[in-house]
Amino acid sequence: GEDVEQSLFLSVREGDSSVINCTYTDSSSTYLYWYKQEPGAGLQLLTYIFSNMDMKQDQRLTVLLNKKDKHLSLRIADTQTGDSAIYFCAESDSGGGADGLTFGKGTHLIIQP
Amino acid sequence: DAGVIQSPRHEVTEMGQEVTLRCKPISGHDYLFWYRQTMMRGLELLIYFNNNVPIDDSGMPEDRFSAKMPNASFSTLKIQPSEPRDSAVYFCASQLAGAYEQYFGPGTRLTVT
Repeated sequence: GEDVEQSLFLSVREGDSSVINCTYTDSSSTYLYWYKQEPGAGLQLLTYIFSNMDMKQDQRLTVLLNKKDKHLSLRIADTQTGDSAIYFCAESDSGGGADGLTFGKGTHLIIQP
Repeated sequence: DAGVIQSPRHEVTEMGQEVTLRCKPISGHDYLFWYRQTMMRGLELLIYFNNNVPIDDSGMPEDRFSAKMPNASFSTLKIQPSEPRDSAVYFCASQLAGAYEQYFGPGTRLTVT
């Protein structure tokens, strides 16, 4: 079945860049997403990328997709304390709503002062 | 827009009791999704609706779980009877047909004692 894998924890110093990695197994994945979850809150959509793209940049966020290796990464530039959260990678075969999302277990981003 | 609204935010109940979780999707959205989040299994899709019709309920764990969407602005997820292993955070999400963004509510934290 479909599977999305992420490392459980990532620790970075404030001001450095954070790179959160994700691998997926479903070769028919068409849309890949990054969500952020702060303690006690719901999931906030950060960005998404189509499988025919290699890169997408949005302010401090850069998403890189290696479709051959089924590897997705999220880079957060100039990491701040407010970036401390759990980051979820998710995939969909049909971003138009034909199915739900398959999520990874999430990566806890820990910011060191 | 108020976003996806869920109620209650917290629910504590005793084993064997009926529990009803409620969701109001973003106005105009065609798709509604119910997810469950636990430490062990992460985020799992339970069921989703398109134009109030259930499309895929293969993620519903048991017959004790049922979901309805009587109209475009309201959905319920019912557990009867509830068990301690149902303790989790239940999220509702909605999406506009043809769009790629799935928006999540704040979740309902369910504790079954």
